[in-house]
Amino acid sequence: DAGVTQSPTHLIKTRGQQVTLRCSPKSGHDTVSWYQQALGQGPQFIFQYYEEEERQRGNFPDRFSGHQFPNYSSELNVNALLLGDSALYLCASSFRGEYTGELFFGEGSRLTVL
Amino acid sequence: GDSVTQMEGPVTLSEEAFLTINCTYTATGYPSLFWYVQYPGEGLQLLLKATKADDKGSNKGFEATYRKETTSFHLEKGSVQVSDSAVYFCALRDPDTGNQFYFGTGTSLTVIP
Repeated sequence: DAGVTQSPTHLIKTRGQQVTLRCSPKSGHDTVSWYQQALGQGPQFIFQYYEEEERQRGNFPDRFSGHQFPNYSSELNVNALLLGDSALYLCASSFRGEYTGELFFGEGSRLTVL
Repeated sequence: GDSVTQMEGPVTLSEEAFLTINCTYTATGYPSLFWYVQYPGEGLQLLLKATKADDKGSNKGFEATYRKETTSFHLEKGSVQVSDSAVYFCALRDPDTGNQFYFGTGTSLTVIP
């Protein structure tokens, strides 16, 4: 049973560029959430997708956008990259029907903006 | 708003020592509480959870009790091992504020032989 998989694992971009990160949820899960984890900090919620729509959003600018596909996989896009966007981006999946359920995390995509 | 406050680290203990990592929370509703662990180079893994007041979550010798009266969810282990070295995150999920998780800043634990 494959867990949450993310790609790429590492990438380096320069300021102003755009980046796309990808995530495949755990088998049986229909909901994908994205979190940003800055160095030495806890994960911060970016947004959540369910039924191919953004259902909830954290305190992140519109430069952060996403998409969910019919197979439940998801992408996170960040435009006009800033140095402060350097972080570990974590994808987490869950099953919407499990009200108090845990999140299952991937290993993350480490983004460095130069 | 919802938030989680965690004991500052890093924490260094000798093998077989007792571990406590403090966690307190603020929530508008009746949250579920979680401890996640992040081993070096890995993603976050659920360690234990509690969904209502007075519940005790336990796993791998770790325990935490959901204390509504003190809004706390402290993590404890009676005898730590070198393999417990990791970063520990306290988190909550509050149904009144949707499905997002709120995480603490993490506590780094190093266990020395």
